[in-house]
Amino acid sequence: EVQMLESGGGLVQPGGSLRLSCAASGFTLSSYWMHWVRQPPGKGLVWVSRINSDGSSTSYADSVKGRFTISRDNAKNTLYLQMNSLRAEDTAVYYCVRFSMTDPWDVWGQGTTVTVSS
Amino acid sequence: DIVMTQSPDSLAVSLGERATINCKSSQSLLLSSNNKNYLVWYQQKPSQPPKLLISWASTRESGVPDRFSGSGSGTDFTLTISSLQAEDVAVYYCQHHYNTPHTFGQGTKLGIK
Repeated sequence: EVQMLESGGGLVQPGGSLRLSCAASGFTLSSYWMHWVRQPPGKGLVWVSRINSDGSSTSYADSVKGRFTISRDNAKNTLYLQMNSLRAEDTAVYYCVRFSMTDPWDVWGQGTTVTVSS
Repeated sequence: DIVMTQSPDSLAVSLGERATINCKSSQSLLLSSNNKNYLVWYQQKPSQPPKLLISWASTRESGVPDRFSGSGSGTDFTLTISSLQAEDVAVYYCQHHYNTPHTFGQGTKLGIK
């Protein structure tokens, strides 16, 4: 079964750091570009970041640029999001999403919740 | 950045009736080299991740009921549910992937009248 499972969310104080992971199973991660999308409580979806299939190219939303780093370990079939200098407005459910030109945006993880609060 | 604007923000339709959700982008999502519109539609129910319904503006995903259809090109797109069922109550989002950032519409909440 094709699935992705996020982990690493939790409660963190403003200014703190968290590292999210997204473990893929049932498919080969290296065949896909990968994205992170977040959803603040009660609000809409917001694209956060993407990484190409071999990790050589990344892109970020302006709101997280310079604070978040996306990376991947294809040997471990795992995607990461390192989040530093966290702010209250980063509070959200974070989803990993796979992308290919043949199957764009077709598989989403269940999400992991990040809460930034003192 | 490309701005995606959905209309209406909320919609109530009687069971068995047609529901139409619109999505407008601030610039064309049609790539001339491959004649594809870089737009997708999702359905999201409470406490669930989004579910992909339509890719490339009009290609229905495998397993999605054929009452769901997508249309449009360039800057104007439509998601149509031909005969609303109770299980279609959800929030619907459009999203572009023409360039980064891959912005979403604000969402349209669909309910039963």
